Amino acid sequence: GEDVEQSLFLSVREGDSSVINCTYTDSSSTYLYWYKQEPGAGLQLLTYIFSNMDMKQDQRLTVLLNKKDKHLSLRIADTQTGDSAIYFCAARGDSGGYQKVTFGTGTKLQVIP
Amino acid sequence: KAGVTQTPRYLIKTRGQQVTLSCSPISGHRSVSWYQQTPGQGLQFLFEYFSETQRNKGNFPGRFSGRQFSNSRSEMNVSTLELGDSALYLCASSGWETGTASYEQYFGPGTRLTVT
Repeated sequence: GEDVEQSLFLSVREGDSSVINCTYTDSSSTYLYWYKQEPGAGLQLLTYIFSNMDMKQDQRLTVLLNKKDKHLSLRIADTQTGDSAIYFCAARGDSGGYQKVTFGTGTKLQVIP
Repeated sequence: KAGVTQTPRYLIKTRGQQVTLSCSPISGHRSVSWYQQTPGQGLQFLFEYFSETQRNKGNFPGRFSGRQFSNSRSEMNVSTLELGDSALYLCASSGWETGTASYEQYFGPGTRLTVT
């Protein structure tokens, strides 16, 4: 089955760029997502990218997709303390006639003022 | 517009019992998906409904089932509860934003289920 992997922790200084990486195994993955989860604030879809795209930019967020290497990254420009949260990568792919979404373990981003 | 609502917010059940969780999506969204979040297994996809039909599903046993009504509200049922079913159950409402054709998905606050 699909496996999605992320590093567990990332620490950056306020104002720097953050880059969170993710790898996935299923080449049939059609959509790839980034979610943000803050304590007490629930889960939020940040952005997504179709598998036929290489890059997507949305304000301070840039998603890069290397389909050949099955590597996805999320870059947050000018990281703020409010960006401190857990970031989940997820991939939607085919599984026995259905589509299934598989999540990574999450990367905890700590922003140091 | 109103957000995604889930009821109840907290629930305590005993092993062997069954439970039904409810999710009301954002007005206009026809797709509802369910997820389980635990410290050990992380976030896992349960199933997804669109227009009253289960369109996609994850790798959960048949004890986990769901349905969607004509008003897009969805329910999730877990029968014969096990201790390992203790988790935060999240539902999400999704659709394509008119005008921009951009996909949008919003999550509810979750139902915290404790099985004793």
